[in-house]
Amino acid sequence: DAGVIQSPRHEVTEMGQEVTLRCKPISGHDYLFWYRQTMMRGLELLIYFNNNVPIDDSGMPEDRFSAKMPNASFSTLKIQPSEPRDSAVYFCASSPTGGRDTGELFFGEGSRLTVL
Amino acid sequence: DAKTTQPNSMESNEEEPVHLPCNHSTISGTDYIHWYRQLPSQGPEYVIHGLTSNVNNRMASLAIAEDRKSSTLILHRATLRDAAVYYCILRETSYDKVIFGPGTSLSVIP
Repeated sequence: DAGVIQSPRHEVTEMGQEVTLRCKPISGHDYLFWYRQTMMRGLELLIYFNNNVPIDDSGMPEDRFSAKMPNASFSTLKIQPSEPRDSAVYFCASSPTGGRDTGELFFGEGSRLTVL
Repeated sequence: DAKTTQPNSMESNEEEPVHLPCNHSTISGTDYIHWYRQLPSQGPEYVIHGLTSNVNNRMASLAIAEDRKSSTLILHRATLRDAAVYYCILRETSYDKVIFGPGTSLSVIP
């Protein structure tokens, strides 16, 4: 199994540009999570999906952020327009639906975003 | 969300056991206790989880207090590769949002 795959691994862009981060979850996993990590705020949950449907997006910072999951094997996190304060590492994680005591999260390697 | 509290940082000597504490005094009866760790420049990875009984796996052991208000992650012999941030998380069986706190930054001294 290839694990959760994120792209790009590194992105440097200028303020005002659109940024799209991509995630391929592990096949068969029903849950997908997007997190953002900074030194100041730690790991923040932005949004999560169950069976491709957004369940909770209360962590999305503002309207400049949007996330989609058009099918079970692909999700995007888009920032438009980007700002320097969006600089962070963005992680995608997926989780299987299983018994009551499972639900381990599998994380990708992250996408490091720098907005100049 | 039920909350956990952990020390900000801990140190251990290489090849000695490490006990990482976590307090979760508001835990409910259906909350599972999960531990993750994050190595430098990587995403978090699952370590272990439990409900009431102590648990062992190849990575670590989890000791859960009888009243479930606290737990301890035990690394039996710390290696340099165990230097990471360790997160203690409570998860409801409904698999809802998973919230990470600041965690404990573990340093391993050679």
